[in-house]
Amino acid sequence: DTEVTQTPKHLVMGMTNKKSLKCEQHMGHRAMYWYKQKAKKPPELMFVYSYEKLSINESVPSRFSPECPNSSLLNLHLHALQPEDSALYLCASSQDPGSYEQYFGPGTRLTVT
Amino acid sequence: DQQVKQNSPSLSVQEGRISILNCDYTNSMFDYFLWYKKYPAEGPTFLISISSIKDKNEDGRFTVFLNKSAKHLSLHIVPSQPGDSAVYFCLAGSNYKLTFGKGTLLTVNP
Repeated sequence: DTEVTQTPKHLVMGMTNKKSLKCEQHMGHRAMYWYKQKAKKPPELMFVYSYEKLSINESVPSRFSPECPNSSLLNLHLHALQPEDSALYLCASSQDPGSYEQYFGPGTRLTVT
Repeated sequence: DQQVKQNSPSLSVQEGRISILNCDYTNSMFDYFLWYKKYPAEGPTFLISISSIKDKNEDGRFTVFLNKSAKHLSLHIVPSQPGDSAVYFCLAGSNYKLTFGKGTLLTVNP
């Protein structure tokens, strides 16, 4: 199984809502990542988890809150988002934190109204 | 300031011919380079990679060339097939972080 799954595929939320994005992998990978991709732009790194601990936060606003409950699961909790946060959110995993070869999920298309 | 540049937004080639996708980078600290391809509604998938200590890596129909002095890399696909039609991203790695280029849409015409 070389798949990274993400749910939901699409999400529409208001600025006062609280929602969560989920990401799962069963490859035994020990590093997991969140990326944000705006339209016509390349993906940009948001967070890195290494061995279930947050190792990199690319100065992401606190309205985005990552969580890694176990080695297979990665969540991104969303609260009080702004319309400019509308984007495709990609999750990825790699065998270990030092590996550049990452496996990506299909993404969650988020629209903030 | 874009550190990884793919200056051709799109490329169209005939089936059976060679596809050459180009990528330039500005950060000399990058030590690893990768190419990913992406189909619509799917995540990017790994294609081929090259370490900064090498100048060529080949895997079947795919070859990546690295010219460190020019800070340039290219992906050659020979022969091109219609199923290769996708967006191709050039990525560069440094300090365990990846930086993406904007991507090039390759269309292979039958």
